[in-house]
Amino acid sequence: GAVVSQHPSRVICKSGTSVKIECRSLDFQATTMFWYRQFPKQSLMLMATSNEGSKATYEQGVEKDKFLINHASLTLSTLTVTSAHPEDSSFYICSARDPAGGIETQYFGPGTRLLVL
Amino acid sequence: RKEVEQDPGPFNVPEGATVAFNCTYSNSASQSFFWYRQDCRKEPKLLMSVYSSGNEDGRFTAQLNRASQYISLLIRDSKLSDSATYLCVVAGSGSARQLTFGSGTQLTVLP
Repeated sequence: GAVVSQHPSRVICKSGTSVKIECRSLDFQATTMFWYRQFPKQSLMLMATSNEGSKATYEQGVEKDKFLINHASLTLSTLTVTSAHPEDSSFYICSARDPAGGIETQYFGPGTRLLVL
Repeated sequence: RKEVEQDPGPFNVPEGATVAFNCTYSNSASQSFFWYRQDCRKEPKLLMSVYSSGNEDGRFTAQLNRASQYISLLIRDSKLSDSATYLCVVAGSGSARQLTFGSGTQLTVLP
């Protein structure tokens, strides 16, 4: 199946710093990518839908100025957590839609574990 | 009410047992349905799609009842490697077909 990578796999940072997470589709072009967040023992919650070349669509309750999303190419989307705080510590997972795989087909990256001290 | 509800478990079953998971969804306009599997500290992986006619993939059988807005997953002859969290997932009717995840049912298969 299609492969999606994420970098870094884990990051520890101090409160107040910004953290950038990259999501890449390795063998297909993804016009749409999704960013999720998962807190311990909870489900994945969609944060935003990222479309190549246009602004991301954020879910209710997700601050667009805090979670900056850039989808500059068909194979790369980035999520920047600005001025991170301990409550932002979570598992961040991206997924990418492969147009050849059907509209609901999403391939997930391995996730990025963020710990803010 | 959550959009997708699952019994969180945990389900602890012996090897070889049959176990069933249930899920209900609230949006009657939902278009597609899936079961994903998530291992500890890993990303979710698609296990199978769910169709109204029911579908089977080896030891796994999924069923959808649109009238009741109910989805099920049956695992027969459980293996140790089946231990994971099983996520019920529903795709919406919007153009983006976003996925909504249930909170998952934790399964542990015991030797």
